[in-house]
Formats: sequence, C-alpha cells, structure tokens
Amino acid sequence: DAGVTQSPTHLIKTRGQQVTLRCSPKSGHDTVSWYQQALGQGPQFIFQYYEEEERQRGNFPDRFSGHQFPNYSSELNVNALLLGDSALYLCASSLAGSNEQFFGPGTRLTVL
Amino acid sequence: QKEVEQNSGPLSVPEGAIASLNCTYSDRGSQSFFWYRQYSGKSPELIMSIYSNGDKEDGRFTAQLNKASQYVSLLIRDSQPSDSATYLCAVNRLGSYIPTFGRGTSLIVHP
Repeated sequence: DAGVTQSPTHLIKTRGQQVTLRCSPKSGHDTVSWYQQALGQGPQFIFQYYEEEERQRGNFPDRFSGHQFPNYSSELNVNALLLGDSALYLCASSLAGSNEQFFGPGTRLTVL
Repeated sequence: QKEVEQNSGPLSVPEGAIASLNCTYSDRGSQSFFWYRQYSGKSPELIMSIYSNGDKEDGRFTAQLNKASQYVSLLIRDSQPSDSATYLCAVNRLGSYIPTFGRGTSLIVHP
C-alpha cells in the first residue's frame, strides 16, 4: 500500500523565483492538504484540495497557489519567493469526511 | 492565547519510565484530537486519535481527553530511546477537517 509521496526531497531557490512542489496521496485517499513547517514550529495549514477544487485555505498570501489533478495528486506553487518561505513543506492526504491525515516525507525548501 | 498550546520542552525521562505529554486547546467546540510523532528531519506520523472523554490505549501509548478542562495528554509507558522525538498535538474544530497544530514537545529518553 503506497503511502503519500512528495517530490522533490530538497530544493534550493533564490529570492524572486518560483517553485512547484508535487504530492501523490496515499492509495484510496481523495483529499490533499498542504502545510508549511518552520523550524521549531508546528505545521501551518496552507490549503486543502478535494475534487480538484480548493476547499479551504489558511492564512497564506496569494503567492501560494495549488492544483489537484483527476488522479488526486496535487501541486503547490509559490511565486516571488521570499527568504521567509524557507521551510519544510508537507503534504497530507485523507479520505473525504475523515479527520485523520497522513503526511508525506516533505520537501525541504531553502530560499537564498 | 494560542489555539493549541504545548510545552516545547525538552522533556527528559529515563528509559523504562512513563513520559507524560500535555496539550491544552482554546476552542470549546473542538471535537477531534490527534497526537503525531515527528523525528528530527522527518515528517509527522499519526500515532493516536481520540474523540470522546476518557482514555484510549494503543500498545504503550494512552491518550487522555478531558473536554471540560480543554486538555488532552499522551502517556508513553516503558519509554524507549527510540521514542525520542517531537510530539505534536493537533485539534479539529467541530465541522472542520483541518487540524490546528501545537508547536510540539521534544521528548528525550535517555538510557
């Protein structure tokens, strides 16, 4: 049973650039959520996708956008990168109607 | 007041002891409560979920929920060095599928 997968594992970008992170949910799951985790902090909710639409959004600027594909996989895009965007980006999948989320290994983004 | 509060620690316990991790939350309407374990440099792993008042046991782990006191805890019996990690408390409001996380408590189990 394949768990949640994310790519790439690590990424280094410079300020002002754009980045795309990818996530494939756990087999059988149809809902994908994205989180940003800064060092020493808990994950902060960015947004959640279900049925290819953004179902809920956290307190993140419009520079953060996403997409969900018909196969339930998802992308997170961040434009105009800032130094403060350096963090671990986590994807979590779940079944619609369930509160239990399962995390992927994360993508470590470093903005220089 | 933060929505979900945890002591950042570190909490240091000897091998074989009981580790007690605590979490308080501010929203009385919260309905779902989770504990995640996160090893350094890794992603969170769901280890316990609890939805009603009382205790829920799973192996060496026991989650305790007291909604009147807005308090949830995780007990780890017979602590092992491999339990050394950060433990994240997460809480869902009624009707929300999005958990709010605490900042986590670092646990160190020393031999």
